[in-house]
Amino acid sequence: SYVLTQPPSVSVAPGKTARITCGGNNIGSKSVHWYQQKPGQAPVLVIYYDSDRPSGIPERFSGSNSGNTATLTISRVEAGDEADYYCQVWDSSSDHRGVFGGGTKLTVL
Amino acid sequence: QVQLVQSGAEVKKPGASVKVSCKVSGYTLTELSMHWVRQAPGKGLEWMGGFDPEDGETIYAQKFQGRVTMTEDTSTDTAYMELSSLRSEDTAVYYCATDLISGSYYRYWGQGTLVTVSS
Repeated sequence: SYVLTQPPSVSVAPGKTARITCGGNNIGSKSVHWYQQKPGQAPVLVIYYDSDRPSGIPERFSGSNSGNTATLTISRVEAGDEADYYCQVWDSSSDHRGVFGGGTKLTVL
Repeated sequence: QVQLVQSGAEVKKPGASVKVSCKVSGYTLTELSMHWVRQAPGKGLEWMGGFDPEDGETIYAQKFQGRVTMTEDTSTDTAYMELSSLRSEDTAVYYCATDLISGSYYRYWGQGTLVTVSS
C-alpha cells in the first residue's frame, strides 16, 4: 500500500514560518489533505486538495504539492499552532485507500 | 453543519467484540460517506475503512478485513463500526469521520470513543 513519510518533529519560534513535509512516491499526482490534532481532541482539517482551506482556517495555513513531496506551511506561527499534523491521501488504486502519514509534532519554541 | 456524536467508552476482554455508534445530525446519513479512523495511545491516525462513493461500496483496510463490519441505519441516521476478536493492540480511540462533498477527506469528526481491551 501507499506510504506517506513525515518528519517526527519540527520546531519553530513564534512569528516564524513552519514547513512540514509529507513524502510519497509521485505524491504530486495525488490530492493531499492535512489535519491538525491537539492533545485530547479530534483532528481538524486544515488543508484539502493540496492547498484549499476550509472556512475558519486562518490564511496563515497553506499547502503545496509537487513531485515526491507535499508541504504544509504555517506562516507567522503562534503558540496555539502547537499540535500534531497529519497528511493524508486517498489511494483509489488499492484496498487501503485512506492513507495517513505518521504525523509531525510541531513545537513552538 | 454536520455533527457526529459517538457512543461512550467501552472496556472489553480479549476475544470479545465491540460496536461503536456514530449519530449524524444536520444532514442525513445518505448524504455522507462515513469512514472510521482509529488512534492507539500515543500513536498516529489509522484508516480502518469507509464508504467509497465512486465504487458505491464500503471498503475495509486489508489489516481489518474479516474482523470489521461497518453498517448504517438510515432510519436513525446512525453509523456503526463493529470490531471482533479484540486483542490488546486494538486499544485505541475510534473516530467516525466524513465530509459532505468528498469521500476522500474528512471535514467532520466525531468526538472519539475509547475502546480498552484488557483481561
